Amino acid sequence: DTEVTQTPKHLVMGMTNKKSLKCEQHMGHRAMYWYKQKAKKPPELMFVYSYEKLSINESVPSRFSPECPNSSLLNLHLHALQPEDSALYLCASSQRLASGGARTDTQYFGPGTRLTVL
Amino acid sequence: DAKTTQPPSMDCAEGRAANLPCNHSTISGNEYVYWYRQIHSQGPQYIIHGLKNNETNEMASLIITEDRKSSTLILPHATLRDTAVYYCIGGTDSNYQLIWGAGTKLIIKP
Repeated sequence: DTEVTQTPKHLVMGMTNKKSLKCEQHMGHRAMYWYKQKAKKPPELMFVYSYEKLSINESVPSRFSPECPNSSLLNLHLHALQPEDSALYLCASSQRLASGGARTDTQYFGPGTRLTVL
Repeated sequence: DAKTTQPPSMDCAEGRAANLPCNHSTISGNEYVYWYRQIHSQGPQYIIHGLKNNETNEMASLIITEDRKSSTLILPHATLRDTAVYYCIGGTDSNYQLIWGAGTKLIIKP
């Protein structure tokens, strides 16, 4: 089973709202990822968690706040977003976090949350 | 950081083999080549990966040149459901994270 689930599928929020995106996997993977994808562009990495600790933050604005409550769950808390933050937000997981060397760490993606900020 | 180059779009007739090329001339010796596809507005789907040898699974075959500077993804009998953007990833950044190229939009025609 290589399933990553994300909720909600669609989210519309105002610039003053606070909302959260959720991601779950039950593959026993210890690395989890948040990506942002704008239309007709490839995914852009935002955050990476390894063993429930934040390992990589790709200089993402503080209005995006990730959280990893346990090894199966990943949240992305949203606050005071801008219309340009509207995008498809993707969660992924892999067995481990890549750290160089000839070792594969295939990432499996969820279906995404389509976010619209008004 | 490593870069990949793919044609922006390709057409293929249904039932034919679709051959998608990728150039990854800056790939390091220990970096894998990955292929994903993304059907409209869905999450990327893992297809296949390889290091040096050719690989085959139930979805596709991956042919990697001996010098590892390029590869070809082969969908042996393309169907309309294979219409998608195909991403080749041939390298990682300084954090060992995947570097996504622009992808190839593959359109399967009846």
